[in-house]
Amino acid sequence: DAGVTQSPTHLIKTRGQQVTLRCSPKSGHDTVSWYQQALGQGPQFIFQYYEEEERQRGNFPDRFSGHQFPNYSSELNVNALLLGDSALYLCASSRTGSQPQHFGDGTRLSIL
Amino acid sequence: AQKVTQAQTEISVVEKEDVTLDCVYETRDTTYYLFWYKQPPSGELVFLIRRNSFDEQNEISGRYSWNFQKSTSSFNFTITASQVVDSAVYFCALSEGRGTGGYQKVTFGTGTKLQVIP
Repeated sequence: DAGVTQSPTHLIKTRGQQVTLRCSPKSGHDTVSWYQQALGQGPQFIFQYYEEEERQRGNFPDRFSGHQFPNYSSELNVNALLLGDSALYLCASSRTGSQPQHFGDGTRLSIL
Repeated sequence: AQKVTQAQTEISVVEKEDVTLDCVYETRDTTYYLFWYKQPPSGELVFLIRRNSFDEQNEISGRYSWNFQKSTSSFNFTITASQVVDSAVYFCALSEGRGTGGYQKVTFGTGTKLQVIP
């Protein structure tokens, strides 16, 4: 039974570029959340998707957008990358009405 | 707004010592969930425990135990007879109630880095 999988593992981009990160939830899970974890900090909630719609959003600008597909997988898109976007991006999945969230290994994004 | 405070940034203990990680939370909701996660150097967040706001019973799981006290808004985590494999960053987290299609966002503390010295 595969857990939460994220791709790619590492990514290097330059300022101003755009990036797409991908997440496949754990089998049986239908809700996906994305978090940004800067070095030495706790994860910060970006947004949550359920039934292909964004349901909750944290304090992140519109440059951060997402999508959920019918198979529950999800993408995180970040436009106009800034140096401050360098972080570990974590995807978490859960089944509606239950906890806890299960996390993937993350995508480490570096902005040059 | 919900907030989680982990005042201990780093803790070092010698193997076999007991160690307690502190967590204080703030929420206006009467229904909420508290969590502890472990993040080893590999980066993956590993779920350890969940507690809902109506269950103040302490819990013990092997060498791990948790003390939930609503009166002081604390949810502390104790590792008994620590081992080198316990070295990691530990996060306390809070989720308020239940949102549309699932649960509300999870708010994490800043984490406590635990180093267990052999």
